[in-house]
Amino acid sequence: KAGVTQTPRYLIKTRGQQVTLSCSPISGHRSVSWYQQTPGQGLQFLFEYFSETQRNKGNFPGRFSGRQFSNSRSEMNVSTLELGDSALYLCASSADGSYEQYFGPGTRLTVT
Amino acid sequence: GQQLNQSPQSMFIQEGEDVSMNCTSSSIFNTWLWYKQEPGEGPVLLIALYKAGELTSNGRLTAQFGITRKDSFLNISASIPSDVGIYFCAGQGSSNYKLTFGKGTLLTVNP
Repeated sequence: KAGVTQTPRYLIKTRGQQVTLSCSPISGHRSVSWYQQTPGQGLQFLFEYFSETQRNKGNFPGRFSGRQFSNSRSEMNVSTLELGDSALYLCASSADGSYEQYFGPGTRLTVT
Repeated sequence: GQQLNQSPQSMFIQEGEDVSMNCTSSSIFNTWLWYKQEPGEGPVLLIALYKAGELTSNGRLTAQFGITRKDSFLNISASIPSDVGIYFCAGQGSSNYKLTFGKGTLLTVNP
């Protein structure tokens, strides 16, 4: 089985712009979670989608949003980018009823 | 919210040595997971634990789910250079399917 894939792997954006990141889960996995990873804060939970519905949400501002499509692929969007949004954004998928999350390689976002 | 304290923050050891790291929480967790992350990659799941007191091995790695359900331990025996990376613990508690992560233990192995 193919693993979790994320595109793009690297992005450079300017303050004030918006960005969309994509995640394709492991085939058959319907749950997709998103995390922000920074050296200072570690892995911070953004949100989790299951069957096109947001099931859990972390403590991030409304500039961070996501969605999931009927094929379980997910996107996250960050609007009005700030310098502090520079981070590695990771998505993870899991099978129904499982807490074991499998991560993609991440998208490295740099905001200048 | 739930928080995990992972220690030590970093370790520098000689090849062949054994390694221990742990995670503690003030809250009870129902599931404990251990991940390893290498530079430029996402975390890779090493071991999953589901019951208090459970001891599970994966090769040279052994992890335990603490009996209080508030802690977990990971041991690596006979370390080798490819063990280098950041090891994270993660717990699943009261929020379904949401994992809380520790800040990680950076392991460096000197050949």
